[in-house]
Amino acid sequence: RKEVEQDPGPFNVPEGATVAFNCTYSNSASQSFFWYRQDCRKEPKLLMSVYSSGNEDGRFTAQLNRASQYISLLIRDSKLSDSATYLCVVNSPGSYIPTFGRGTSLIVHP
Amino acid sequence: NAGVTQTPKFQVLKTGQSMTLQCAQDMNHNSMYWYRQDPGMGLRLIYYSASEGTTDKGEVPNGYNVSRLNKREFSLRLESAAPSQTSVYFCASTTPGRLTEAFFGQGTRLTVV
Repeated sequence: RKEVEQDPGPFNVPEGATVAFNCTYSNSASQSFFWYRQDCRKEPKLLMSVYSSGNEDGRFTAQLNRASQYISLLIRDSKLSDSATYLCVVNSPGSYIPTFGRGTSLIVHP
Repeated sequence: NAGVTQTPKFQVLKTGQSMTLQCAQDMNHNSMYWYRQDPGMGLRLIYYSASEGTTDKGEVPNGYNVSRLNKREFSLRLESAAPSQTSVYFCASTTPGRLTEAFFGQGTRLTVV
């Protein structure tokens, strides 16, 4: 099993739709979690951190489920500009290496 | 706020040529990383430097060398470029910790012909 797994998609949704991605991780001791956004041919950038209690930033909601070892990202009222690849990142104690998932591609169409 | 600066942004090499990709960060981060990204493959770690004075191999180190020149700078060298090294290269930095994000440079698009 890979350390961090994501469905590559693409998720093809109309504007205004709600879409959710999951990301599973294998190390139960993982401590911190992030969602990054990567636009085509650009560098990944932090979208939001994922807190234990869940957190929201505008149309974006991140959740952590430690029991089932996954994090999720919910996007409400999708915009064309949300089209991108979304990477989940997991940090584990004692490791100097953030572990990236391969990313989930989102395409929002008119 | 410069963050992580990579040079060059684009490069075309002939097979067998050498080059060095430069990376510098101004955030006082301890750890720095070199990744390559190929279509459909996600980010693959080439080398990393946990702290100044140390470097370690990542997932795909063959054909590359690195130097952590000081806390700010981490360079990646291709001694004899091969077409299989055609890729987009990203440098990143962070200070490992519970809620510390990684920052990326803008990437270097390298083509080896």
